[in-house]
Amino acid sequence: DGGITQSPKYLFRKEGQNVTLSCEQNLNHDAMYWYRQDPGQGLRLIYYSQIVNDFQKGDIAEGYSVSREKKESFPLTVTSAQKNPTAFYLCASSILGGTRGPQHFGDGTRLSIL
Amino acid sequence: GESVGLHLPTLSVQEGDNSIINCAYSNSASDYFIWYKQESGKGPQFIIDIRSNMDKRQGQRVTVLLNKTVKHLSLQIAATQPGDSAVYFCAENPRRLIKAAGNKLTFGGGTRVLVKP
Repeated sequence: DGGITQSPKYLFRKEGQNVTLSCEQNLNHDAMYWYRQDPGQGLRLIYYSQIVNDFQKGDIAEGYSVSREKKESFPLTVTSAQKNPTAFYLCASSILGGTRGPQHFGDGTRLSIL
Repeated sequence: GESVGLHLPTLSVQEGDNSIINCAYSNSASDYFIWYKQESGKGPQFIIDIRSNMDKRQGQRVTVLLNKTVKHLSLQIAATQPGDSAVYFCAENPRRLIKAAGNKLTFGGGTRVLVKP
């Protein structure tokens, strides 16, 4: 079945450590997105990408980095510069173009600090 | 800034009754709206969407109503079931140049629906 796969489901980070969250999609979507969700709150956009080798900052990009070397993959690195990384991270993808369509989400990665 | 918000943070409903979840938006450029359902520990699941050239759209047990005059969006769930217990988010996508910013969405804060047996 087509969908979005995020891994790992749970991740722990030590002080000063960078960690990378994986996101893979087989929906043939051009656009991919990373969101952060804190307890009891909505989603905030970290980064998004419309095409391979191109991406833009969202509303809370500081302390995060991304790459888009393949259409199917959009990994997110949480760097040591992100001082409050504990959150639920969600990856999404969507079509582009005039018709537009909803973003489809993976089941998230929960990141905690050791 | 312009944003999407929800009136009720928690909605308790009796099993079998209808649920109505409301959402206000302030971005007059919004022309595409989406409702998502999020269960605990999972990602948001697409429920239904509506474009600004419509004022009503129906799905299976769900209806979305759009009132552009007052910038209001609602989701109606018919015959609410225990499996409908979740957090519901509305999201909006302003009209943009296709190549400018993709399908960026602005999300509301969410409404928790609790279905009582």
